[in-house]
Amino acid sequence: GAGVSQTPSNKVTEKGKYVELRCDPISGHTALYWYRQSLGQGPEFLIYFQGTGAADDSGLPNDRFFAVRPEGSVSTLKIQRTERGDSAVYLCASSLGSGVEETQYFGPGTRLLVL
Amino acid sequence: KQEVTQIPAALSVPEGENLVLNCSFTDSAIYNLQWFRQDPGKGLTSLLLIQSSQREQTSGRLNASLDKSSGRSTLYIAASQPGDSATYLCAVSGNNRLAFGKGNQVVVIP
Repeated sequence: GAGVSQTPSNKVTEKGKYVELRCDPISGHTALYWYRQSLGQGPEFLIYFQGTGAADDSGLPNDRFFAVRPEGSVSTLKIQRTERGDSAVYLCASSLGSGVEETQYFGPGTRLLVL
Repeated sequence: KQEVTQIPAALSVPEGENLVLNCSFTDSAIYNLQWFRQDPGKGLTSLLLIQSSQREQTSGRLNASLDKSSGRSTLYIAASQPGDSATYLCAVSGNNRLAFGKGNQVVVIP
């Protein structure tokens, strides 16, 4: 079956612009996670959705970052007034159930470069 | 805050040797520990998941152990092959998230 997909695969933007990154989870998965991976680092947690609601957004670095999942499936990560430090790979993962003990399946990521 | 450390950061081994990758974590209150593989420019592929009540998991040439009380896990890869060259990431689950180490970057020399 289809795995987690993310679009676009690459995004280049200028400092100060607004970007949207999309994640399509595995069909039927109720939990969805966003992580950010900077060069040479492991992924860092941003936000966790259970259904339509953000159950934990404590990893979002500041109020320029926002994410939605209006119908409990596709999610969009939105970054306003992008800065060069936002350049990273943004990874999305989904899992079948609500518990963090469930296996998370990762998408290929969106590589964001802010010039 | 959970801190995950992976040692060594990078290593090169000749083909055929066994690989030993280490992971340590500071908070033992975890649900499970997972080892991932990441190829350059790619996403994460799950290799093994060990539940907190388990001691080890095996899949083919891969074996991962977990000592939850001491906050340690080890990934063994037997008879390494050039195709095993990749970055291996350790992640522990808890508090609504996975906490990752920085990875072990492995090169297997033919």
